[in-house]
Amino acid sequence: DTAVSQTPKYLVTQMGNDKSIKCEQNLGHDTMYWYKQDSKKFLKIMFSYNNKELIINETVPNRFSPKSPDKAHLNLHINSLELGDSAVYFCASSQAGTSSPLHFGNGTRLTVT
Amino acid sequence: GNSVTQMEGPVTLSEEAFLTINCTYTATGYPSLFWYVQYPGEGLQLLLKATKADDKGSNKVFEATYRKETTSFHLEKGSVQVSDSAVYFCALYEGTSYGKLTFGQGTILTVHP
Repeated sequence: DTAVSQTPKYLVTQMGNDKSIKCEQNLGHDTMYWYKQDSKKFLKIMFSYNNKELIINETVPNRFSPKSPDKAHLNLHINSLELGDSAVYFCASSQAGTSSPLHFGNGTRLTVT
Repeated sequence: GNSVTQMEGPVTLSEEAFLTINCTYTATGYPSLFWYVQYPGEGLQLLLKATKADDKGSNKVFEATYRKETTSFHLEKGSVQVSDSAVYFCALYEGTSYGKLTFGQGTILTVHP
């Protein structure tokens, strides 16, 4: 069984469009995250949610809006897509507030043309 | 703030060579340290972790020792295989923000037969 699953795996869209990426975890974790990985493999946290509550919001443009309908799901909606949004977006989960390891999904490669 | 610095890649080795990937960190407190690996097309997976000074993190083939005096957590493996080709990330967690990991920039490893 996949522990952290995100869809779609690939997303190609034009500038100005709005798109969503979905993430689900079946590990029973309290905390979920979105990370962005650029073309040089650098990883940067975007958001984290703990029990559906936003905990971390790392200077991300407000075109990016996370939504957590329950603690097993964390979706990412992006409005008015820009070329610079092209990247791989990773969802992850972990137990809250500890040094427990993060479990990552396989990523969504977003290409904005 | 916290930061993690890894040796520049890419690193290219022949099969059965000894691997070292250097990692040093800056943190105000006493962080937990991690190594993650990312295989092509996949998310990150935990390789090993260490939570206090002088701890040796290990997964039986990879190991890293938490050295507080040199603020380092170098990854080592005695004999690499082609299947070890991946991107390796060093990361720290300081416990002040829910699960927020600070990642190094990643080191690309390619192993040739």
